Amino acid sequence: EPEVTQTPSHQVTQMGQEVILRCVPISNHLYFYWYRQILGQKVEFLVSFYNNEISEKSEIFDDQFSVERPDGSNFTLKIRSTKLEDSAMYFCASSEGGSNTGELFFGEGSRLTVL
Amino acid sequence: AQKVTQAQTEISVVEKEDVTLDCVYETRDTTYYLFWYKQPPSGELVFLIRRNSFDEQNEISGRYSWNFQKSTSSFNFTITASQVVDSAVYFCALLSGNTGKLIFGQGTTLQVKP
Repeated sequence: EPEVTQTPSHQVTQMGQEVILRCVPISNHLYFYWYRQILGQKVEFLVSFYNNEISEKSEIFDDQFSVERPDGSNFTLKIRSTKLEDSAMYFCASSEGGSNTGELFFGEGSRLTVL
Repeated sequence: AQKVTQAQTEISVVEKEDVTLDCVYETRDTTYYLFWYKQPPSGELVFLIRRNSFDEQNEISGRYSWNFQKSTSSFNFTITASQVVDSAVYFCALLSGNTGKLIFGQGTTLQVKP
């Protein structure tokens, strides 16, 4: 069964460092998303991406964050100058059509710990 | 404003008991989708169900059933004859529009004791 894969599963970094989280969406999917879950809290939308551009972003997704689809398979989330409060589980998701036509498939998450 | 409320923070039951997880949502859109996800201790999000706003038929899948009532803006989830493996955090989520912005509730932690 096709799945969304994320790497790394866990990353520990020092405050102020840059982090890149990688995702390989399901191959025929066209819509890509990043969500964040701070430990013990709800899952929060960060950004959606379609046709090589951001289609929507939340207020959390400020200039510190960026997304990119550098090639035909990867979808990355870059966090510049990480802060302690960036520690969270980051979920990538993809969907075949717009999300109102299909299911969002989530990856298993990348846990980021900022020290 | 769009919002999802899961008023039950934690529920503890004994195995084989039935349990209902509540979900109330707010949206001004006429077309929207409601979801339930399960998050086991391993952390991944497991899709359980998606319903659109035009389909109020209740659904049953094995021990799981869902009760969608537009009149009360609720989409409740019942587990019949609960099992220890059902222990997880369960999230209800709302989606409207076409941008993939799921609005999640705070989650309900279900503990099923043997």
